[in-house]
Amino acid sequence: QKEVEQNSGPLSVPEGAIASLNCTYSDRGSQSFFWYRQYSGKSPELIMSIYSNGDKEDGRFTAQLNKASQYVSLLIRDSQPSDSATYLCAVNMSPGANNLFFGTGTRLTVIP
Amino acid sequence: GAVVSQHPSWVICKSGTSVKIECRSLDFQATTMFWYRQFPKQSLMLMATSNEGSKATYEQGVEKDKFLINHASLTLSTLTVTSAHPEDSSFYICSARGQGYDTQYFGPGTRLTVL
Repeated sequence: QKEVEQNSGPLSVPEGAIASLNCTYSDRGSQSFFWYRQYSGKSPELIMSIYSNGDKEDGRFTAQLNKASQYVSLLIRDSQPSDSATYLCAVNMSPGANNLFFGTGTRLTVIP
Repeated sequence: GAVVSQHPSWVICKSGTSVKIECRSLDFQATTMFWYRQFPKQSLMLMATSNEGSKATYEQGVEKDKFLINHASLTLSTLTVTSAHPEDSSFYICSARGQGYDTQYFGPGTRLTVL
């Protein structure tokens, strides 16, 4: 079983819609969760981090964490064509862990 | 804040030569730096983790004698690809993390092409 799993997509949504990206993880003791965005040919950039159950909002982005169900999601409201990218979910599996575990990413396309 | 730079952004070299890539944290002290490799349309692959002042820890299958990593200061880590071959052509990305934090910030990447 992979440590961090994402649907590879592609996920297509029309401009202005809500894009929902999901991620599940295997280690119930995981503490920290991150969403990165990676444009084609570029390196990942941090969008959000979340540490507690519930929702965390930052502009058009909302991260949702449910530790009991071991999933974390990212909602993008009012999707724009510029949001078209691959979104990577990353999980810190345990306190003091030296590394993040990355999912393979979900490719999102926002259709004008 | 949390800016990471990489140099060069791209490099083309002949087979058999060595290439050095620098990764710098510009506005924070990076106690840990990570080196990733990414082939086209594939996910990130962690190559090694380096802590300042100590030897790097390489992931399984990564040749430590081929990919030399030095993390001599809290703001600089280098990756040297020795005796590069065409199959080493890839996108190399570093990331950095400050002490006590678990967020990794990525550099812009270095695209290596070996002819």
